[in-house]
Amino acid sequence: KNEVEQSPQNLTAQEGEFITINCSYSVGISALHWLQQHPGGGIVSLFMLSSGKKKHGRLIATINIQEKHSSLHITASHPRDSAVYICAATNFGNEKLTFGTGTRLTIIP
Amino acid sequence: NAGVTQTPKFQVLKTGQSMTLQCAQDMNHEYMSWYRQDPGMGLRLIHYSVGAGITDQGEVPNGYNVSRSTTEDFPLRLLSAAPSQTSVYFCASRAYRGTSFPNEQFFGPGTRLTVL
Repeated sequence: KNEVEQSPQNLTAQEGEFITINCSYSVGISALHWLQQHPGGGIVSLFMLSSGKKKHGRLIATINIQEKHSSLHITASHPRDSAVYICAATNFGNEKLTFGTGTRLTIIP
Repeated sequence: NAGVTQTPKFQVLKTGQSMTLQCAQDMNHEYMSWYRQDPGMGLRLIHYSVGAGITDQGEVPNGYNVSRSTTEDFPLRLLSAAPSQTSVYFCASRAYRGTSFPNEQFFGPGTRLTVL
């Protein structure tokens, strides 16, 4: 079992829909990261959080430390949001990142 | 700032050939790392460095060497390429202030390597 699990693996939605991607982790962490990767492209950091909630534009990330769970929400989704979203955990103690396998999001116009 | 740069973007090698993937950052970050990304798997750590002169192995180090002679550069060497090393390689960097203070990671654009 991977230490960082994401769901769903694939998600297709209509433009304008509210999107939720989930991440569960089993290791002790000092931070949780959400990353975005466009097809054939590089990896961009969206959020790094260790508690509560962060918001940037239409993107919201939340984390529940007790439940070891984080969610990434996208409001008013747009085709340009189509990408792979990756959850990663900074392991407490050695600062190494453990990555989920990613969620492939496709937004249809 | 250019951020994290990687060269080349694409490379095709024959089995047994050697090559070096270049990585550089201009943010004065202490922590640099190399990952490989394979279909259906999360990024996996190959090697990392917490400062010039200091390197350590990650999850999948076999077949790869690294060195860190300067803060800016962290090259990855494939000693004798094998088809199993066909992958996309990402270099990343971040500031490093000890285990109680994680920092945002910055990734390079990636190198797509094919070994025939």
